[in-house]
Amino acid sequence: QSVLTQPPSASGTPGQRVIISCSGSSSNIGSNNVYWYQQLPGTAPKLLIYRNNQRPSGVPDRFSGSKSGTSASLATSGLRSEDEADYYCAAWDDSLSAWVFGGGTKLTVL
Amino acid sequence: QVQLVESGGGVVQPGGSLRLSCATYGFTFSNYGMHWVRQAPGKGLEWVAFIRSDGSNEYYADSVKGRFTISRDNSRNTLYLQMNSLRAEDTAVYYCAKDLWDWGQGTLVTVSS
Repeated sequence: QSVLTQPPSASGTPGQRVIISCSGSSSNIGSNNVYWYQQLPGTAPKLLIYRNNQRPSGVPDRFSGSKSGTSASLATSGLRSEDEADYYCAAWDDSLSAWVFGGGTKLTVL
Repeated sequence: QVQLVESGGGVVQPGGSLRLSCATYGFTFSNYGMHWVRQAPGKGLEWVAFIRSDGSNEYYADSVKGRFTISRDNSRNTLYLQMNSLRAEDTAVYYCAKDLWDWGQGTLVTVSS
């Protein structure tokens, strides 16, 4: 059972907008920044969003992050076949003094 | 260009020990905190440990506390993970990560008799 809760799966058709949620608590998302990672099959995770809504250089602006209270979300607009991957949220947890990850969401492009 | 290269993985018996290394290139290693994150086969990411840039503080997941030790050698630009009292549930690909920003390709640890 992960400290951060994500839906196990999400899907959309090419061109659609898909949103993946990440639910936490006051000790993690509620008081710290959220990070999002994309993991393509057989590869290492790649940073997609940092500090809730910032994109590293090279990440398409089709990806956006937001945070409200103890929840965060990752939106992917203009869905493309190459977006099919696993997505993870992460945050520092003040109570655990540990980083925590969501269980991951498998995004399928139909 | 930032590069992180893990090594030291392999097959070990339950109760055994293993030391992972992460050689780093392309950035000033001594300026950054470093993490180990693992991923069991077919499972999600699990954070394992973090060490500050100067090695002054370490943090561990409850699942490895007391068994694993993270360390670093800033003169060699290398991160380590000493893993003792290994269990079957420690079987995973272990990634090192610079500030959880840049990640290596991982090294597989299999704990099995």
